[in-house]
Amino acid sequence: GIQVEQSPPDLILQEGANSTLRCNFSDSVNNLQWFHQNPWGQLINLFYIPSGTKQNGRLSATTVATERYSLLYISSSQTTDSGVYFCAARGGEAGNMLTFGGGTRLMVKP
Amino acid sequence: NAGVTQTPKFQVLKTGQSMTLQCAQDMNHNSMYWYRQDPGMGLRLIYYSASEGTTDKGEVPNGYNVSRLNKREFSLRLESAAPSQTSVYFCASSASGNTEAFFGQGTRLTVV
Repeated sequence: GIQVEQSPPDLILQEGANSTLRCNFSDSVNNLQWFHQNPWGQLINLFYIPSGTKQNGRLSATTVATERYSLLYISSSQTTDSGVYFCAARGGEAGNMLTFGGGTRLMVKP
Repeated sequence: NAGVTQTPKFQVLKTGQSMTLQCAQDMNHNSMYWYRQDPGMGLRLIYYSASEGTTDKGEVPNGYNVSRLNKREFSLRLESAAPSQTSVYFCASSASGNTEAFFGQGTRLTVV
């Protein structure tokens, strides 16, 4: 099946800083999603972005499907942005499986 | 519109006991999924149902069974719980195989 790798695994920011999270995938995709898992464990949908660029407030995402990567940008980070960010992709031979990366654990300090 | 609802939220089992985790969605989605999340890791697919009446194994199916009861409901059964099944279980649904998936709030299961 498709392999999904995220970097960096851990990230510590000062409030107000910007950051870029990366997701690499091993095959062509028909679905790519970014999630935020908050400290209570809830998975929150951020973006459904199999290709192109989307923006939602301080967050934006870009997927370059031909080069097999996606980027999540967080600008002017806030302490509430803390948590784990997951990328998940569906594609390749296992077309029905949404495969998750290992996540990026973000801590934003006040 | 509740989205994806899982019950129970928490459960403690003794080794060898059985239980069923329930999941229901009210978005008229065709596809439903069960994942597990172990500490510090991403989610891994246990089973999925592409449509009512069909189920398929995911990455880590051993020790589990599923039932797609109807279009709304997809249950996960542990026949004989083991400590290695201690995890957080998430149910998800999507309109079809390559559309956006939505997750429930999770069930935290501890097997002692």
